[in-house]
Amino acid sequence: ELKVEQNPLFLSMQEGKNYTIYCNYSTTSDRLYWYRQDPGKSLESLFVLLSNGAVKQEGRLMASLDTKARLSTLHITAAVHDLSATYFCAVDHSGGGADGLTFGKGTHLIIQP
Amino acid sequence: DAGITQSPRHKVTETGTPVTLRCHQTENHRYMYWYRQDPGHGLRLIHYSYGVKDTDKGEVSDGYSVSRSKTEDFLLTLESATSSQTSVYFCATRTSYEQYFGPGTRLTVT
Repeated sequence: ELKVEQNPLFLSMQEGKNYTIYCNYSTTSDRLYWYRQDPGKSLESLFVLLSNGAVKQEGRLMASLDTKARLSTLHITAAVHDLSATYFCAVDHSGGGADGLTFGKGTHLIIQP
Repeated sequence: DAGITQSPRHKVTETGTPVTLRCHQTENHRYMYWYRQDPGHGLRLIHYSYGVKDTDKGEVSDGYSVSRSKTEDFLLTLESATSSQTSVYFCATRTSYEQYFGPGTRLTVT
């Protein structure tokens, strides 16, 4: 059974600081997703990481994937209030996501001025 | 947003009543999914479909059934709703590299 663990589950930080969210998963997968969810809203795709060593960046967010360690990270640089949200990582059940995704429990991020 | 709509968006129902949630997509995607989201659990897969009339169970399928008679529509049915099925339900579709989510349906079973 595929398990996906995120940590921390809750993070309160100040604007301007850097921090990293970790996502560990239990079985082999070559595809990992990061989503953002605002309160009462749907999931917004941030990154799709397709291979070992993949690194993607968008603004103040950078995601990386190490398939050998079964670890992905989401790094936040110089946080701003607008990045406050819940962040989920998710992993394919099988190649290509045909069988759906297994999600972590989410990291609730609050960025304070 | 991959043209996904869900209906209804909010529903309150009583224990024991049947409920059907509808997901409609306009992008002709082959794969469609139903997830539920509960506090402390992230999203969990209920059922998925890989084509018309082709469906399979996910992680938390007990108490749910699905049907897909057209590419664009994927229905989720709670045959006899229970309070444990109070949740937010998300439909999703998939392309080769992305999975897109609908706006969600908030279901409350009293």
